[in-house]
Amino acid sequence: GAVVSQHPSRVICKSGTSVKIECRSLDFQATTMFWYRQFPKQSLMLMATSNEGSKATYEQGVEKDKFLINHASLTLSTLTVTSAHPEDSSFYICSAGRPDRDNEQYFGPGTRLTVT
Amino acid sequence: LAKTTQPISMDSYEGQEVNITCSHNNIATNDYITWYQQFPSQGPRFIIQGYKTKVTNEVASLFIPADRKSSTLSLPRVSLSDTAVYYCLVGDGNYGGSQGNLIFGKGTKLSVKP
Repeated sequence: GAVVSQHPSRVICKSGTSVKIECRSLDFQATTMFWYRQFPKQSLMLMATSNEGSKATYEQGVEKDKFLINHASLTLSTLTVTSAHPEDSSFYICSAGRPDRDNEQYFGPGTRLTVT
Repeated sequence: LAKTTQPISMDSYEGQEVNITCSHNNIATNDYITWYQQFPSQGPRFIIQGYKTKVTNEVASLFIPADRKSSTLSLPRVSLSDTAVYYCLVGDGNYGGSQGNLIFGKGTKLSVKP
């Protein structure tokens, strides 16, 4: 079946530094990928929609200058958390929509970010 | 996307059939119904998707009445490993940013006991 990977699975960084998270669709091309954030004991919240070859669309309340998204190819989207702060510590999950299956969403395994 | 309502939690025992119902009164003609399963600290995993009547795969069945205002996810003979949160989502599949937000609700926390 379809597989979506994320790297790294866990990352610890110091406050003020930037962290890049990669999301890859391994066996299908994804024109659209989504980035979510999940805080402990809360539901996944959509952060942004990443479209290949164009600018990402951000949800209300999500700072586009802080969460940089790049979707340079049909199989790779990256999320860069810039100038991370402890409140950015969260579980970040991406998903990729498969165009030939009505954009059925395949989710990655997630990345646990801890900012100290 | 249509708003959905699910029970917050359910308990079951190993070997039982579990049915989780989701209400979506405002479902649109083009909307599909999709269920996801999420284990702690993992990304949600697609379980099943349907439009009407009944859909069955190797994992679950999805029952959708004629008016499509609700749906029921059926998990046959659950095991301890089925303990997870189950999300019901309703949308046309074009989850594009502010035009069609893929928003997860609280889901249903299923606890399977031995």
